[in-house]
Amino acid sequence: QVQLKESGPGLVQPSETLSLTCTVSGFSLTSNSVHWVRQPPGKGLEWMGIIRSGGSTDYNSALKSRLSISRDTSKSQVFLKMNSLQTEDTAIYYCTRSRYWGQGTLVTVSS
Amino acid sequence: DVVLTQTPPTLSATIGQSVSISCRSSQSLLHSNGNTYLNWLLQRPGQPPQLLIYLVSRLESGVPNRFSGSGSGTDFTLKISGVEAEDLGVYYCVQSTHAPFTFGSGTKLEIK
Repeated sequence: QVQLKESGPGLVQPSETLSLTCTVSGFSLTSNSVHWVRQPPGKGLEWMGIIRSGGSTDYNSALKSRLSISRDTSKSQVFLKMNSLQTEDTAIYYCTRSRYWGQGTLVTVSS
Repeated sequence: DVVLTQTPPTLSATIGQSVSISCRSSQSLLHSNGNTYLNWLLQRPGQPPQLLIYLVSRLESGVPNRFSGSGSGTDFTLKISGVEAEDLGVYYCVQSTHAPFTFGSGTKLEIK
């Protein structure tokens, strides 16, 4: 069945780079798009970006200068990299294929 | 970027009551291919969001038919016909017609 699972460090230092991996199963990345969405504690959902089946990407306007999404189709993995992290980047980070969502991973930005 | 304005921000309902949530877009969500990419999600406490409605009015598999979506262009509505206790949570509209995609600010449904 379709599954997505996020993984990465739970704690990141301010000004450093966040690297997250979304490992998918049950579908092919060459036929489906995957999004990243985040949610700060107690707040709403924020769309971060998408990598489409053909490999093209689009990003949230406010994040695009420091955000990159890529993939390794042979490993069924999608990657998120975001630099210059600040405390306001503390959030649960989800990867999603629209009707399917991962459980999310909490990233805390703190020294 | 497209701005989605959801109202009301909170909603309090009794079991069996029917409620509606509005989602208004800053520009038309009709895609050049004829589809309107407006979805509704429910996020229950402590859970990831789940898809309820896609393409404005299509009910996701497994979702009870007390949920319905309607609208076109810039005005959209989610209706729950007969709220049940399990419906509590935060409802979001999301558009994927225009990149970058955007979410509404959410409507929290509380059960009286």
